Amino acid sequence: DSGVTQTPKHLITATGQRVTLRCSPRSGDLSVYWYQQSLDQGLQFLIQYYNGEERAKGNILERFSAQQFPDLHSELNLSSLELGDSALYFCASSGQGYEQFFGPGTRLTVL
Amino acid sequence: KNEVEQSPQNLTAQEGEFITINCSYSVGISALHWLQQHPGGGIVSLFMLSSGKKKHGRLIATINIQEKHSSLHITASHPRDSAVYICAVSFYSGTYKYIFGTGTRLKVLA
Repeated sequence: DSGVTQTPKHLITATGQRVTLRCSPRSGDLSVYWYQQSLDQGLQFLIQYYNGEERAKGNILERFSAQQFPDLHSELNLSSLELGDSALYFCASSGQGYEQFFGPGTRLTVL
Repeated sequence: KNEVEQSPQNLTAQEGEFITINCSYSVGISALHWLQQHPGGGIVSLFMLSSGKKKHGRLIATINIQEKHSSLHITASHPRDSAVYICAVSFYSGTYKYIFGTGTRLKVLA
């Protein structure tokens, strides 16, 4: 158990809908990262937050947004969902050592 | 050409064998990461290194910054080592970036 929690574990929704994925980092970790893993694209970095502020941005679509709240949990919002958004979404957290600890992932299926 | 390339893509070994997985990258990096992804999907960070060598149990990771190359070695392999091993690099280019290799699927037979 990495200490990083993600909810929900599975999510099935329809095209055009909007969903929110939630991540709670390890106790004391200020950084949260979001990743997408799809069958055709592999693992891709989406975005990083540090203590509530956006720190780095990767291949995140404009339809996607994220935020980190004062209690350090983070949410990834995916809107206008398309079939191609079906993927595993991982959250990771890190502390001062920068080593990342991954959550169990949320499997999103868009029908 | 991908910025991070791993080899081999697939590897089958007998229990007890010494295993090497290679990772080459084409950009200047802050750090290189080795991850392990189990069949159930969970990801574990094995190593983060920016120079030299690190060892954890039967796992050894090395990096040669000049040659832009890293290796992950598994000594005395065991069926529980069966997983996908992913190399990733992090670097700063206007903002921090993280780029992943496509992974090496390892199967260790008893």
